[in-house]
Formats: sequence, structure tokens, C-alpha cells
Amino acid sequence: QKEVEQNSGPLSVPEGAIASLNCTYSDRVSQSFFWYRQYSGKSPELIMSIYSNGDKEDGRFTAQLNKASQYVSLLIRDSQPSDSATYLCAVKYTDKLIFGTGTRLQVFP
Amino acid sequence: EAGVAQSPRYKIIEKRQSVAFWCNPISGHATLYWYQQILGQGPKLLIQFQNNGVVDDSQLPKDRFSAERLKGVDSTLKIQPAKLEDSAVYLCASSLMITSSYEQYFGPGTRLTVT
Repeated sequence: QKEVEQNSGPLSVPEGAIASLNCTYSDRVSQSFFWYRQYSGKSPELIMSIYSNGDKEDGRFTAQLNKASQYVSLLIRDSQPSDSATYLCAVKYTDKLIFGTGTRLQVFP
Repeated sequence: EAGVAQSPRYKIIEKRQSVAFWCNPISGHATLYWYQQILGQGPKLLIQFQNNGVVDDSQLPKDRFSAERLKGVDSTLKIQPAKLEDSAVYLCASSLMITSSYEQYFGPGTRLTVT
């Protein structure tokens, strides 16, 4: 059984702080990793993809991948109240995307 | 570029009734996916199509769920008969190709309530 684990939260951070969201996965064969943001009552929206070890930055978002530790994280710098949402980690296993249960982020003013 | 389209957006039915959902993927996307998302959980893949062929339907409850993708474009997902535990959001997604690096984009979903 392929698993993707996330802390369900909520993770509460003050406006302007760095939010750190973490995800672990069970299968070392995985090559592709994605972060989706899901606002309440909406569908998942792709915000980051990462395929190789290290960091990938896009605006205020940084994805970090460590395949040896089977760990992927998402950092959100200068967090805004509009970042409050559930963040889903997804890992691709043989062309099938497996999602974690998501971490709920709350950014308070 | 238009996104993934789904209809209806909401549906309320009684148990044992049937229901159908429709999806139109992003133009040119060969791969189409149907997911079920129960409240508080991540999306769970039900079926994936490459063009009009089924690639994976291992988690589709085939005694009550069926799906088709005619002409490799639009797709429909049907539930017959519905059970209370089918209450969920049904998400359609598409990607350019099925291979690892291609990203999936979701439609707005259909929220199904079975009473």
C-alpha cells in the first residue's frame, strides 16, 4: 500500500511568517511530487511540482525534496491570510497520483 | 486556455437512485482522471483514461460505478444504485500525457449528497 503522510493540522502562523508544511511518502521509486492548494469548497489547485532533490522556488513558495529521507516539504514565505487553505501533497507512483489527507493552514492577521 | 469543465456542480439524490456526472478536459489533454474526495480526505483515484482506453480502474467499485470516455474527449461517470457512502465530491482532472512529469489539473467538482 503506497502511502503519503501529512499532519492534518491546523497549522497556525501569523501574517508575514514562514509556514512550513511537511509530507513523507512510503515508496522510494517515486519520481514526481506535487503540492496542491485547496480552499474550502473548491477543487485542488496545483501550486508546485518538484522532480529532483533540492529546492525549487516560485515566488513566495519553495518546495524541498529529499529522496533519501522520502520527505517533501513546502515553505510559504511572508504568509498572508489568503494563504489559509488545505495543502495537499501528492506523489506519483507508476503514473498514479496518491494524495495525502492534507494539512490545514491558518494565517492570522 | 479553458480549464476542466464539469457538470452538474451539485446533485442531491436518494439512495438507490442513479446519477451521472460529465467532464470535459483541457483541450489536447490525452489523459483524464476521475477522483472521489470524501470530506477531510485527499482525493482518491477511481479511474484513469488514456485517450479513450482505460489505464487503471482498480479502485472503481464496478458493481455500481461505471465510466466511459467517448472519442477520447468528454467523459461520464455513473453511479447506479447510489449508497449513502457515495456522498462526496467527484473531481475530474486531466493532463497532457500519463507519464510521470505531466501535471494534473482539476475541474470544479460535483458535490453529491445521497439521502
